[in-house]
Formats: sequence, C-alpha cells, structure tokens
Amino acid sequence: AQSVSQHNHHVILSEAASLELGCNYSYGGTVNLFWYVQYPGQHLQLLLKYFSGDPLVKGIKGFEAEFIKSKFSFNLRKPSVQWSDTAEYFCAVIGQTGANNLFFGTGTRLTVIP
Amino acid sequence: DVKVTQSSRYLVKRTGEKVFLECVQDMDHENMFWYRQDPGLGLRLIYFSYDVKMKEKGDIPEGYSVSREKKERFSLILESASTNQTSMYLCASWATPGYTFGSGTRLTVV
Repeated sequence: AQSVSQHNHHVILSEAASLELGCNYSYGGTVNLFWYVQYPGQHLQLLLKYFSGDPLVKGIKGFEAEFIKSKFSFNLRKPSVQWSDTAEYFCAVIGQTGANNLFFGTGTRLTVIP
Repeated sequence: DVKVTQSSRYLVKRTGEKVFLECVQDMDHENMFWYRQDPGLGLRLIYFSYDVKMKEKGDIPEGYSVSREKKERFSLILESASTNQTSMYLCASWATPGYTFGSGTRLTVV
C-alpha cells in the first residue's frame, strides 16, 4: 500500500527564515507528487506538483520542491518565509496504478512569527 | 476553473441521525472523492467513484455510504451519525492534471 510520511508535525519559524518540510513516500513505481496548502479557515490549494521531467519543481508563492527518486522524497522549500505562509502543508502522492487515488501525509503546521 | 461545491459549510447533527453531505462539480469529471480531515491524521479517503452509479471503498469506509446518481453529484451518507464522525469532510474531483477540492463541511455530531 502507498503511504506518505511527513515527519515535521509543527514547525515554527521567524520571518525571513528558510523553510524545508520533509516528505517521503512509499511506492516503488512511477508517482505523481503534490504539495497542498491550507490557510486557516480556507480550503486546500495546490502549491505545486511533479509528474515528470525536471525534478526541481517551482510552485506558487515562491515555493519549490525537489523530487529525489533514490530517497523517495519530495521536500518542500522556500528560501524566505513570510507571516502569510502560516498554514498547514500536506504532501500527497498518486501511484500509477490507474486508480488516481490521492494519498496524503498527516500534514505539517507551519507558524511564522513576525 | 473547475468548481467543486459542498452545500453546507457547517452542520450540527444528533447521534443516530441520518446525514447527507452533498458535493457538486461543474466540469463533467468522472472521478470524485470524499475525504475526512482530522488533526494529526491528515486527509483520509472514505469513498470514491469513477462514474455514475459506481463506487469504491477508500481507506475508512466504515459507517459511511455514498450515492452517485448523476455525474456531477456525489453524496456522502452517514446512516446513523456517531460522535466519532465529527470531522471536516472534503469532496474532490479529478481530471488530469489534478484534483480540485471543495471548501469542506465541518460536521459536529452531538
């Protein structure tokens, strides 16, 4: 079965600090990978996705993620966070089984202190 | 843009009630999904559907059923609501290149 692990449950950073949120998945085949963000009181929004090609993916709001196949990882990064980045971040994976089911990690809550 | 609409933002129901959560998408997508979101557990798949009248169990189907009579509408049914079903429920639809989520229904069972 596929699974996604996000090891950081709650991250607290000061503004302008750099961010890296870990995501590891367990699936040996071809995967599609996603990062979603949920701002307080709002619905899930897609930050970025990886389907194929360049393993360094750039998303909205200055976020990027790197797919490292050998490590089964898809970590999210941002060089300088802002207070408005305070949110919950979810990593998710679709395995190429034809089912298109999205498996989510448990989420990482990011708090940015002004 | 694809729009996924969940009819209720907040619901409060009593234990034992039958509860219907409605979800409508406007882009003729075949694949639709129901998730529940709980703190520390992320999003977990309850049921999904590939087409009209078709349904498949997800990871946590116990206590739930679904209905897909029309392509655009996917309903989640709690046959007899229990307090452990208090949660945020998210509907989604899928078509390449990705998912679109509704804004969620926060259900409280008292």
